[in-house]
Amino acid sequence: GAGVSQSPRYKVAKRGQDVALRCDPISGHVSLFWYQQALGQGPEFLTYFQNEAQLDKSGLPSDRFFAERPEGSVSTLKIQRTQQEDSAVYLCASSLSPRNEKLFFGSGTQLSVL
Amino acid sequence: AQSVTQLDSQVPVFEEAPVELRCNYSSSVSVYLFWYVQYPNQGLQLLLKYLSGSTLVKGINGFEAEFNKSQTSFHLRKPSVHISDTAEYFCAVSALTGANNLFFGTGTRLTVIP
Repeated sequence: GAGVSQSPRYKVAKRGQDVALRCDPISGHVSLFWYQQALGQGPEFLTYFQNEAQLDKSGLPSDRFFAERPEGSVSTLKIQRTQQEDSAVYLCASSLSPRNEKLFFGSGTQLSVL
Repeated sequence: AQSVTQLDSQVPVFEEAPVELRCNYSSSVSVYLFWYVQYPNQGLQLLLKYLSGSTLVKGINGFEAEFNKSQTSFHLRKPSVHISDTAEYFCAVSALTGANNLFFGTGTRLTVIP
């Protein structure tokens, strides 16, 4: 595709609701990253995939957060029992190489938990 | 782990004036350094990167940055800014080996005044 695509662009959830955020990386990109960006802050690393393998999930804030990339392309970030502190912009990025020398970012999904 | 400090949260500058956005990093291992730019309602875009070699790196849109290992800095400069440079700028650091995640600063909002 032309770029990294994320959907939905905006998501409003009631506290306790489950949400799923989708990322379509650039076709052929090996690496996929998820970041969380709180208001007024820089992006913070959540998790990293190399093809379908989740190689690093050290940034996931709790066991309510779960990410998958079953076929090595599209990825889904799932948040269970959302809390207000989960409100943030969730960014997806992909890279052609296994390392992160050049990441291509999507526009993000803005999650608001009420 | 690595960390990044961007000393200025907001930098206003008149059109055609020079600008410097400051970035300092902390790391116990050798690093890669990056500057990303985020225009309104768009994803982050790589501006430039330092991987190795010459400490002065040139990026897109006339920006450049200089890696100073002794001062652990990677300041971004442009000799003459344009209105279209108004955006959020993020400095980021990554270890050369091992964990494949980027650590971002909190960002600097550059506003170019006509």
